[in-house]
Amino acid sequence: NAGVTQTPKFQVLKTGQSMTLQCAQDMNHEYMSWYRQDPGMGLRLIHYSVGAGITDQGEVPNGYNVSRSTTEDFPLRLLSAAPSQTSVYFCASRKGFGTEAFFGQGTRLTVV
Amino acid sequence: QQQVKQSPQSLIVQKGGIPIINCAYENTAFDYFPWYQQFPGKGPALLIAIRPDVSEKKEGRFTISFNKSAKQFSLHIMDSQPGDSATYFCAASMSNYQLIWGAGTKLIIKP
Repeated sequence: NAGVTQTPKFQVLKTGQSMTLQCAQDMNHEYMSWYRQDPGMGLRLIHYSVGAGITDQGEVPNGYNVSRSTTEDFPLRLLSAAPSQTSVYFCASRKGFGTEAFFGQGTRLTVV
Repeated sequence: QQQVKQSPQSLIVQKGGIPIINCAYENTAFDYFPWYQQFPGKGPALLIAIRPDVSEKKEGRFTISFNKSAKQFSLHIMDSQPGDSATYFCAASMSNYQLIWGAGTKLIIKP
């Protein structure tokens, strides 16, 4: 049982480049979300989805896009990378609200 | 009103001691209060969770104490071990809304 799989684990981008962080889950969870983790700031929600075809913005959505074409996959796109987007990114999935969130291993992104 | 305030930011305890991490919230509509544990290089993982109809919940060496009137909840780790060294996050949510996260506590258990 793979759980939540994120790729890549590490990435270095130049300012202005775009890229997609991949997230896949095999637990048939409807609810998926993307967070960024910065020192001393906890986990901040970027975007989330409550099911295929449904996405919404979280606390810090600017500079990021998401789509949810299948239940399993929830990719996060950086449109034009900026140094302020240097962070560790986590994808999580849950069966529903008020239930356990399962996290991926994270993607450490550096924008230079 | 949506914030969850977590303290302390860091904590060092001797092996066998009882570290206590505290969280406070304002929104009385919150009805789910989980604690997550995160080891370096890993994603957070659920440790224990409580709902406001109980004042305490124990799972092994981990206990959540919940004070509804004070709008506070805390994590206690009994007989702490070096392997408990990690970052701990509290969170809160309403049944139909997002998880609101505390800023995290970096816990070090000295041998």
